[in-house]
Formats: sequence, C-alpha cells, structure tokens
Amino acid sequence: AQSVTQLDSHVSVSEGTPVLLRCNYSSSYSPSLFWYVQHPNKGLQLLLKYTSAATLVKGINGFEAEFKKSETSFHLTKPSAHMSDAAEYFCVVSYGDSSYKLIFGSGTRLLVRP
Amino acid sequence: GAGVSQTPSNKVTEKGKYVELRCDPISGHTALYWYRQSLGQGPEFLIYFQGTGAADDSGLPNDRFFAVRPEGSVSTLKIQRTERGDSAVYLCASSLNVGRGSGNNEQFFGPGTRLTVL
Repeated sequence: AQSVTQLDSHVSVSEGTPVLLRCNYSSSYSPSLFWYVQHPNKGLQLLLKYTSAATLVKGINGFEAEFKKSETSFHLTKPSAHMSDAAEYFCVVSYGDSSYKLIFGSGTRLLVRP
Repeated sequence: GAGVSQTPSNKVTEKGKYVELRCDPISGHTALYWYRQSLGQGPEFLIYFQGTGAADDSGLPNDRFFAVRPEGSVSTLKIQRTERGDSAVYLCASSLNVGRGSGNNEQFFGPGTRLTVL
C-alpha cells in the first residue's frame, strides 16, 4: 500500500531557530506531495505542494520543502520559527489516477519555545 | 462564510444510535470528500463525490457508514448502530474540480465534527 512516514511525532525548537520536519514516502508511482498544517480548532490548511515541477517548493509563511527522489523524501523547512508556527503538520501524498485520495502521515507536532 | 462548514462541531451519542454529520462545501465546488481522523493519527480517506455521485467509496470502513449528496452541494455522512470505535473527528473537504493534472483540485478542509460514542 502507498504510504507516507513522518519520522518525528514531536519537534521542539526555540523561536528564531530553523525548523526541520521530516517526511518519507513510498515510491511505487510518481507522487504528488503536500504539506498541510492544522492549528487547534481550525481546518487543515495547505502549506505547499509538489507536482513534478521544480523540486524545491516554496509555500506560505516562509516554509519550503525539497523533493528528493533518490531519498524518497520531502522534508519541510523554515529558516526561523515563529511562535505562531506551533501546530500539527501533516505530510501528504497522492498518486496517479487516485490523485483525489490524499494519504496522510501521522503528523508532527511542532512546539516553539519563547 | 466562504469556507467549508460542518455541523455539528461536536456530537456525543450512545453506542447503537444513529448519527448524521453535515458538510456544506465551498459554493461552486464540484468535488467533495470525507475523511476520518482518529486520535493521534492523520486523516484517512472515506469517500469522494463528483457532483451527486459517489465516485469512490472505498474508504468507508463497513456498511454502517453511508454518505449522500443529493443535489451536488451539501453532503451528509450517516453512521448506523454507532460503536465506540467510531469516535473520531470527521473532516469534510471540497475542491473546485478533481482529476489528475487539474490546477483546481486543491482540497479545502472544514473544521470537522468531533464524534464521541459512549
């Protein structure tokens, strides 16, 4: 089965330091890859998506992710964390003819310390 | 509002009861999706509608779950004979279009309905 693995359930950083949230996907087909963010009591929001164009994808709020086919990875980064970045982040994949079916990782909770 | 709305926001029911969860998609969005998010997990796909028809219901866990979208807009997820294991947040999403290569298939999510089965 197609899947996506988020390697860390929790990541804690200090405000102003870099953020790295790790994601690996299974590689049977050429994937579309996404990162979504979920703030408490709010709907999931799309941060960025990769759909076979540029391998370095820039998203909202200063986040970016790099598609590395050789490593089957799509890690999310941000140079400098803000307190408002504290939330749950989901790496998501979809494939081919079932591209409407989003397959979510288990999520990484980002904590930002003052 | 301009976003996807879901009602109720919270639903508490007893084991064996019937529940209905409602989703109002963004106006004009032809595709609608239901997902289920259990505690500590990512959302899991349940069903997707293109217009009025269920184009893929492969994620529904069993025949106690059913969803309709009779007029191609509002959708209702129906759960019969609820079980404690059905407790989860049920998420609805909609997109303008659906399909591979479509530039308008970004899914916009509602805030979810938290279902608790006692």
